[in-house]
Amino acid sequence: GAVVSQHPSRVICKSGTSVKIECRSLDFQATTMFWYRQFPKQSLMLMATSNEGSKATYEQGVEKDKFLINHASLTLSTLTVTSAHPEDSSFYICSARDGKTYNEQFFGPGTRLTVL
Amino acid sequence: AQSVSQHNHHVILSEAASLELGCNYSYGGTVNLFWYVQYPGQHLQLLLKYFSGDPLVKGIKGFEAEFIKSKFSFNLRKPSVQWSDTAEYFCAVNKNNNDMRFGAGTRLTVKP
Repeated sequence: GAVVSQHPSRVICKSGTSVKIECRSLDFQATTMFWYRQFPKQSLMLMATSNEGSKATYEQGVEKDKFLINHASLTLSTLTVTSAHPEDSSFYICSARDGKTYNEQFFGPGTRLTVL
Repeated sequence: AQSVSQHNHHVILSEAASLELGCNYSYGGTVNLFWYVQYPGQHLQLLLKYFSGDPLVKGIKGFEAEFIKSKFSFNLRKPSVQWSDTAEYFCAVNKNNNDMRFGAGTRLTVKP
C-alpha cells in the first residue's frame, strides 16, 4: 500500500528558531500534498495544499510567511515553521494524494513539535 | 457553510456492546467519505471509505458504515466492540477530489 513518512517524528526547539518537517511519499508519486495541524484532543485542521512545482494554497487564517511549504518533487514536501513560538506547539500531519488514485489521501505518522 | 459533523463527542461502552457513531456532512453533490481511527499515541489509520456503489461499506477490524444520501449521513457501526477499539474516530469528506475535511472526532472508550 501507499506509504507516507514524516521526519522528524518529534522535535523540541527554542522559541524563535525555525523547524523543518519533511513529508515523503515512499512508493508513489504525490502530485498533491496536504498539511494538517492537530491540537490535543481536537480534529485535524487543514493548513495548506501544495502541488508539485507550484506555490502552496493556504487556508484562511494560516500565515504563509510563518509556515513555509515547499513541494519541490513528486515525493517530497517540506513544512518550515519559522520563528517558532510556544503557541505553534502542535501535531503536524501531512498527507499525499496519488496522481492515479485521485480520490484518496494517505497520511503520514505526524510530527510532534514542542516549542519551549 | 460546508461542514462535517460528528454528534457524539465521547462514547463509553462496555465490551461486546454495539457501536454506532454518527457522521453528517453538508456538502452537495458527489462526495467521497472516509472513517479514520487514531489509537492513543498513534497516527491516523483508514478504517473504510466510500466512493460509489454499494452504500454499505465494510472496513477493517469488523467496522462497517452506511452511506445514506438522502440523510447526508455516513454512520460507522460495529456489532460488538472490544477493549482494543478504544480510540479517536474521525469522519472525513472529500469533494471533487479536493482536500479532505474532518469532523471533530468521537472518542470511544471501551470498558473491559
